[in-house]
Order: sequence, then structure tokens, then C-alpha cells
Amino acid sequence: DIRMTQSPSSLSASVGDRVTITCQATQNILNHLNWFQQKPGNAPKLLIYGASNLETGVPSRFSGSGSGTDFTFTISSLQPEDIATYYCQQYDDLRLSFGGGTKVEI
Amino acid sequence: EVQLVESAGVVVQPGGSLRLSCVVSGLSSNENTMHWVRQVAGKGLEWVSLISWNGATTYYSDSVEGRFTISRDNSKNSLFLQMNSLRTDDSGLYYCVKFPRTWGRGTLVSVSS
Repeated sequence: DIRMTQSPSSLSASVGDRVTITCQATQNILNHLNWFQQKPGNAPKLLIYGASNLETGVPSRFSGSGSGTDFTFTISSLQPEDIATYYCQQYDDLRLSFGGGTKVEI
Repeated sequence: EVQLVESAGVVVQPGGSLRLSCVVSGLSSNENTMHWVRQVAGKGLEWVSLISWNGATTYYSDSVEGRFTISRDNSKNSLFLQMNSLRTDDSGLYYCVKFPRTWGRGTLVSVSS
């Protein structure tokens, strides 16, 4: 099974800050990676698919990069509404797997 | 509008069984691989199981293999998860998911004596 290691597990930043989250896979997953945002009481919401493709309707301050085993998720200018937990998720293996999550606070 | 609606949550004793269901509307479920994902309160997301569009292929996480069975009835646009030999660490919110965009609201399973 493919394990996803996400870091940091939590972070505190100020409005306007650049926020970066990393995700590492235990084997090459090409670009088969999604990034989700989850707010309390809600189901996860897709932000980035295929490692770097912005989902329709998602603000352009969100971005993703990487391939193979190392991936990065960035919020270029943190906004109050971005307070949430973010998860990476691989789909190279049908047995999907998630990173442990990053809780973003202000 | 695509909707996935899971059955209501329940409380069950350790060792017991439970069958979750998910009704799919707004998309042709018989052309989609479907998944169950769970989340312990305050914790991360854990993939549980998938089933192919025709039910011929199923996969399970190591933590539920041999205890849970995923199935579907395309004539009723429904997905199921039969959960046996339940343990306290199976407690959590269970989501029905068509990856990556369509998630149900989740159903709460509590395994407690």
C-alpha cells in the first residue's frame, strides 16, 4: 500500500501569508494526487487534482505542484475563509490513501 | 444535482453488525466506481473500500479486510457497506464517495457498549 506523509500537521499563519504544505508518497505516484479542503462539519472539498490542476471555481491563490513522490500545496495569500484542514490523497493505487492532514489556523 | 445520501447513523455494540447504505441520485451510478471513506472524530480521513461499476472488483483497507463487505445494487442506485465484527475503533463518520468530487454528508457510526 502507498503511504502518504503530510507535513506539517498544523500551522498558524497571518492573513496574507504564503502557506506551504508538503506531501510525500512512499512510491512513485506520477501526478496522481488530489488536494482537499475540509472545514468543520463539512465533507472534504476538492481543490487540486492531478497534482497541479485547479478545480473549477476554486480561487487562484491555491496551487499545487510536484510529481513522483514529492508534492507541494500552496496558498499564496492566506484568507480568513481558508481556515480548514487540508489533505493530500493519492489515486495511483486503487487502494486510495490520504495524508494525515494539515490544520491551518490564523 | 448529484447527491449521495447515506443512511442514518446508529449505535452498535462491539462485535455487532451494521449495514450502511447510500442512495445515489443525479448520476448514473452504474458507470462509476464508488468508495467508502471514514473519519474518526477530530482525526484524519481513512479510505475504507471501493467497488467497481459492475461489482466485479472490490478492494478493502487492511483495517477492515475480512470484516466489511461492499456491494451495490445499480437497479436501485444504491451502495452498501456490510460491517461485521465491529470494534470500537470502527467508530466514526462514514462517507459515501464518488472520487474525487462527490461526497455524501456522512453517517455516524458509534461502536460502544
